[in-house]
Amino acid sequence: AQKVTQAQTEISVVEKEDVTLDCVYETRDTTYYLFWYKQPPSGELVFLIRRNSFDEQNEISGRYSWNFQKSTSSFNFTITASQVVDSAVYFCALSEANYGQNFVFGPGTRLSVLP
Amino acid sequence: EAGVAQSPRYKIIEKRQSVAFWCNPISGHATLYWYQQILGQGPKLLIQFQNNGVVDDSQLPKDRFSAERLKGVDSTLKIQPAKLEDSAVYLCASSLNRGFHEAFFGQGTRLTVV
Repeated sequence: AQKVTQAQTEISVVEKEDVTLDCVYETRDTTYYLFWYKQPPSGELVFLIRRNSFDEQNEISGRYSWNFQKSTSSFNFTITASQVVDSAVYFCALSEANYGQNFVFGPGTRLSVLP
Repeated sequence: EAGVAQSPRYKIIEKRQSVAFWCNPISGHATLYWYQQILGQGPKLLIQFQNNGVVDDSQLPKDRFSAERLKGVDSTLKIQPAKLEDSAVYLCASSLNRGFHEAFFGQGTRLTVV
């Protein structure tokens, strides 16, 4: 069965520090998609990025970067030069192309960026 | 483009009462999801529709929860009778199709059962 693990429950950093949020997944499918979502205090889940299982290139978008390593079943998210507005709960999610459930979420990591 | 609309935003009911939530997905989105998010946890998928058919409802407590998606557009989720442990935020999401496409979420309905 598909599963997403985010071992870090809470992380606190001081503004301008870099921070990496870990995500480890399990799937029996050979084609799958990985996602990161942000849930600010307002509560709405905001899509950040999608990655498919055949594309292991790292991606950078402004201060955000993602490192996908199939060999370790990990899809980690790094925020460079963190800002107070980055404070939120971040969720990693997995969607399988050929089996059952889509969008299984991990438990989330609560990031607090202190001024 | 209008987002996913949900109503009501908040609901307080007594245990054993019934409640219904409504969701209007993004126009043209074939896939619709209902999630339950208990405070401090990740969203848990309750049911997934593809157009007006159920793809997966393996985690839906069918003795008290029901959901439908009429004409493949709007959807309602009902709880009858409610229990204290049903207190949570109920999130509706939609995506263009299954698998590859990202899901867009509504603001959710916060249910408190007292």
